[in-house]
Amino acid sequence: DVKVTQSSRYLVKRTGEKVFLECVQDMDHENMFWYRQDPGLGLRLIYFSYDVKMKEKGDIPEGYSVSREKKERFSLILESASTNQTSMYLCASTPPGLDPTGELFFGEGSRLTVL
Amino acid sequence: AQSVTQPDIHITVSEGASLELRCNYSYGATPYLFWYVQSPGQGLQLLLKYFSGDTLVQGIKGFEAEFKRSQSSFNLRKPSVHWSDAAEYFCAVGAGNQFYFGTGTSLTVIP
Repeated sequence: DVKVTQSSRYLVKRTGEKVFLECVQDMDHENMFWYRQDPGLGLRLIYFSYDVKMKEKGDIPEGYSVSREKKERFSLILESASTNQTSMYLCASTPPGLDPTGELFFGEGSRLTVL
Repeated sequence: AQSVTQPDIHITVSEGASLELRCNYSYGATPYLFWYVQSPGQGLQLLLKYFSGDTLVQGIKGFEAEFKRSQSSFNLRKPSVHWSDAAEYFCAVGAGNQFYFGTGTSLTVIP
């Protein structure tokens, strides 16, 4: 069974702390994504990666960075957490292209609270 | 630019009643369309998807959706809702290697 694992389901951090959110997939997928989910705003793309050591900015990259040193792992980094980064973070992966069976596989999410 | 609109923020239905969740998209080419469901505190799970062919697609948990190109719509339906269907539902468009999501519709099911 396919699996995307986000190591931390719930985190509480203080303003200014550095935060790492880890995501691992076991499906040998090339594409990986980090989304942020907020009520009324749906899912907004932060960063995505098509391959190892490759990254592309999404719609809301400010305040975030990412790392992809291995194909299966895609990390989201908050260099200096702020209260407006309190949110649910969702990692997802998919094989390259969308045809014929491509779909996003999601992790269970990491709920981050910044105090 | 691609966009997805889910006009209903919140819907309440009685258990056993029928359900239709609306989704409209904006995309220049033939779209790849998806419906995902999210239970509280969980990630998103794929309900169904449309790539080509028959415009009525069947998904898991008794859901179906119909692609109507003339209306740029991909509405989700279920003939009889169960209490366990209470969740958040997201419509999405796939374009290239990216996905564009609507803002979601929250479904409440009352006994």
